[in-house]
Amino acid sequence: GQQLNQSPQSMFIQEGEDVSMNCTSSSIFNTWLWYKQDPGEGPVLLIALYKAGELTSNGRLTAQFGITRKDSFLNISASIPSDVGIYFCAGYNAGNNRKLIWGLGTSLAVNP
Amino acid sequence: DTEVTQTPKHLVMGMTNKKSLKCEQHMGHRAMYWYKQKAKKPPELMFVYSYEKLSINESVPSRFSPECPNSSLLNLHLHALQPEDSALYLCASSQDFPRGETEAFFGQGTRLTVV
Repeated sequence: GQQLNQSPQSMFIQEGEDVSMNCTSSSIFNTWLWYKQDPGEGPVLLIALYKAGELTSNGRLTAQFGITRKDSFLNISASIPSDVGIYFCAGYNAGNNRKLIWGLGTSLAVNP
Repeated sequence: DTEVTQTPKHLVMGMTNKKSLKCEQHMGHRAMYWYKQKAKKPPELMFVYSYEKLSINESVPSRFSPECPNSSLLNLHLHALQPEDSALYLCASSQDFPRGETEAFFGQGTRLTVV
């Protein structure tokens, strides 16, 4: 099925570094979501974006809904060991049979 | 209570076995979902129940049979599975559907291994 282009696929960083990941699509969306999944757990919603150009923060996390409605990025500032996990973006447009379209994930490892 | 509870957490079953996965939520949500997730891949939607009626079946093989006995419970009955069905099975719920997938709470999942 349709998937989003999410990059990078994986990152290995030092504790305290900032992280940036993004998702792009050939289709427009009216909602962008960012999830984090820890090993053996279900995804947890981090940030939801509903408007083109919207910039939203959740603690050390910041995400933006691109003005073209075809992309979004997630930044994590001052990474800590518990940031380790897989981060997924997902886009929603009611025209896509009301389904979420998921990115393939960015695996983040943090070296203490 | 913002939890979606799934049982069991782990399940190993043979290809001739019949087993069931269970999911429960007490948030008053009227939409519930089953997803399948393979390692290092995003969740794939399998079924959506809205107000206890099956709204979406993503062409899932009949060896997977969902059931929604009431608005708080969702089951997934498994029969004659194949080894390639081994995966993390996630349940989720949301206030309603559509758009509900964008506001869904996920359970911890059941790690299923078919031997």
